[in-house]
Amino acid sequence: EAEVAQSPRYKITEKSQAVAFWCDPISGHATLYWYRQILGQGPELLVQFQDESVVDDSQLPKDRFSAERLKGVDSTLKIQPAELGDSAMYLCASSIGQFLSEAFFGQGTRLTVV
Amino acid sequence: AQKITQTQPGMFVQEKEAVTLDCTYDTSDQSYGLFWYKQPSSGEMIFLIYQGSYDEQNATEGRYSLNFQKARKSANLVISASQLGDSAMYFCAIKTSGTYKYIFGTGTRLKVLA
Repeated sequence: EAEVAQSPRYKITEKSQAVAFWCDPISGHATLYWYRQILGQGPELLVQFQDESVVDDSQLPKDRFSAERLKGVDSTLKIQPAELGDSAMYLCASSIGQFLSEAFFGQGTRLTVV
Repeated sequence: AQKITQTQPGMFVQEKEAVTLDCTYDTSDQSYGLFWYKQPSSGEMIFLIYQGSYDEQNATEGRYSLNFQKARKSANLVISASQLGDSAMYFCAIKTSGTYKYIFGTGTRLKVLA
């Protein structure tokens, strides 16, 4: 069964260090999302790609976060420098298109900043 | 702007009984989709069921059904014959043709009792 792959599953990093997360969406899915989920809350969108183009990054803290999706397939989300408040679950999801179709999520990366 | 409200932070249900998880939404778009996801303690988001704003019949998927009341802007999830494995967080989400991003509620934690 096709699934969204994310790595690493868990990451512990020190404050001010750089950290990167990787996501490989389901083959053929044009839309890719990165969500951040703080413990006890619902996921919040950080960035949305349609193929290789960013269509929404309004909630991405651009002074420290960056995201790319070269060639419109897999994607990397980077944080530099990490802050204590960045501790959260980072979820990647993909859907077949922008229209009203369900998104499929990866298992997430649980980030702890110490 | 779109918004999802889930007013039940936690729910208990006896095994084999039915349970309803509440979800109300707010949007000015006429075309939208409503989604329910399950998040076990392991962290991944599992898609359960989808209801389109123009669908006249309530969606059903196995033991899951969606009680869609468009005039009241509610999209409650009904789980029939609860199982211990249903214990998890449940999130309601909306996606509109205006923004194409999923907006999630704060979730309901369901505990199924043996």
